[in-house]
Amino acid sequence: EVQLVESGGGLVKPGGSLRLSCAASGFSFSSYSMNWVRQAPGKGLEWVSSISSSRNYIYYADSVKGRFTISRDNARNSLYLQMDSLRAEDSAVYYCAKDMFRGVKPDAFDIWGQGTTVTVSS
Amino acid sequence: EIVLTQSPGTLSLSPGERATLSCRASQTISSSYLVWYQQKPGQAPRLLIYGASSRPTGIPDRFSGSGSGTDFTLTIGGLEPEDFAVYYCQQFDKSPYTFGQGTKLEIK
Repeated sequence: EVQLVESGGGLVKPGGSLRLSCAASGFSFSSYSMNWVRQAPGKGLEWVSSISSSRNYIYYADSVKGRFTISRDNARNSLYLQMDSLRAEDSAVYYCAKDMFRGVKPDAFDIWGQGTTVTVSS
Repeated sequence: EIVLTQSPGTLSLSPGERATLSCRASQTISSSYLVWYQQKPGQAPRLLIYGASSRPTGIPDRFSGSGSGTDFTLTIGGLEPEDFAVYYCQQFDKSPYTFGQGTKLEIK
């Protein structure tokens, strides 16, 4: 079964850091671009970051650029999001998502995890 | 940044009716890079349509997508009770890979 399982969410103070992980199984993880998408409480979806299969191409939303770092370990079938200098507006459910096709750039997110909740509050 | 504007914000229909949801882009995007998702409360989004008009395996054929340039449409023919949810479009033509704000499809 193709599966993505996120972990690492929690409560953190403004200015703090958190590292999210996404464990992948059931597909050839190293062949696909991977992505993070977030959803603030009661709000819509916001694309956060994408990383290509070989880590050559990395993209960020302007809202997180310079504060968040996406990475992956293909040997461990894992995706990560290092979040620094967190703000209240970063509070959201964070989803990892798999690209549908084996391409350099993202194209469609066909598999999603269940999400992990990040709350930034003092 | 490409802005996607979805309309209407909320659509109230009855089971069996046909739903037409719109997604308008602030600039021309390739049809290859326009997708639609469905999201139910407490669940992750589900991919419904990719490449503007293609359905992934397992998506019922009552869901169809169309459009090109700046105007795209998701049509749900013959609404089933499980179709009432929020629908989002997303573009992958240019980073940032923006989403529309969503259309809530509710039972009338």
